[in-house]
Amino acid sequence: DAGITQSPRHKVTETGTPVTLRCHQTENHRYMYWYRQDPGHGLRLIHYSYGVKDTDKGEVSDGYSVSRSKTEDFLLTLESATSSQTSVYFCAISESPGAEYGYTFGSGTRLTVV
Amino acid sequence: QQQVKQSPQSLIVQKGGISIINCAYENTAFDYFPWYQQFPGKGPALLIAIRPDVSEKKEGRFTISFNKSAKQFSLHIMDSQPGDSATYFCAASAPWSGGYQKVTFGTGTKLQVIP
Repeated sequence: DAGITQSPRHKVTETGTPVTLRCHQTENHRYMYWYRQDPGHGLRLIHYSYGVKDTDKGEVSDGYSVSRSKTEDFLLTLESATSSQTSVYFCAISESPGAEYGYTFGSGTRLTVV
Repeated sequence: QQQVKQSPQSLIVQKGGISIINCAYENTAFDYFPWYQQFPGKGPALLIAIRPDVSEKKEGRFTISFNKSAKQFSLHIMDSQPGDSATYFCAASAPWSGGYQKVTFGTGTKLQVIP
């Protein structure tokens, strides 16, 4: 999707290993979000950022940490991956905290923890 | 706790027919209701949205109907086309801390439009 890139697109990792997913944007938007998508649960917010070094927890933040050292990059880290973290992870950006401007989502990272 | 309940989970509609997806919510603090469309291998994309002071919003073949008293809203896709085959998510947002608007998504409806 234009303006937002997620890497890697696919990853298989072993239980207990650390994993970092990257979200890179070229839109200079202040707000960035990490969601996970699971069947039957829709999209659930993990963490979000409202500026460089400013982050906060979402509804399913346990086991995840984030960092934002530059406006364009938002990293999601699974400190010790578990099978329950197998999911598709989406990064999103928005230019304001209000939902009326809509979120722009990346194409997702499919993570499998074995 | 699922704050936005979406149904049906899947839907098959013939080409030219009307697709209807329903959502219900409990939190009266929700003040904005967007719908997102997601194609396989892609992220969701904003399709259409409505505020609770409006009962209906139409954009092309897509219409949102909103019933504030019943706390329900629905997406209607008129003259459904095979290219509309996708997963649709309703969502609702409410003010949260620090000026942030928390967006809660429904569980999604997989629509298949058959020729």
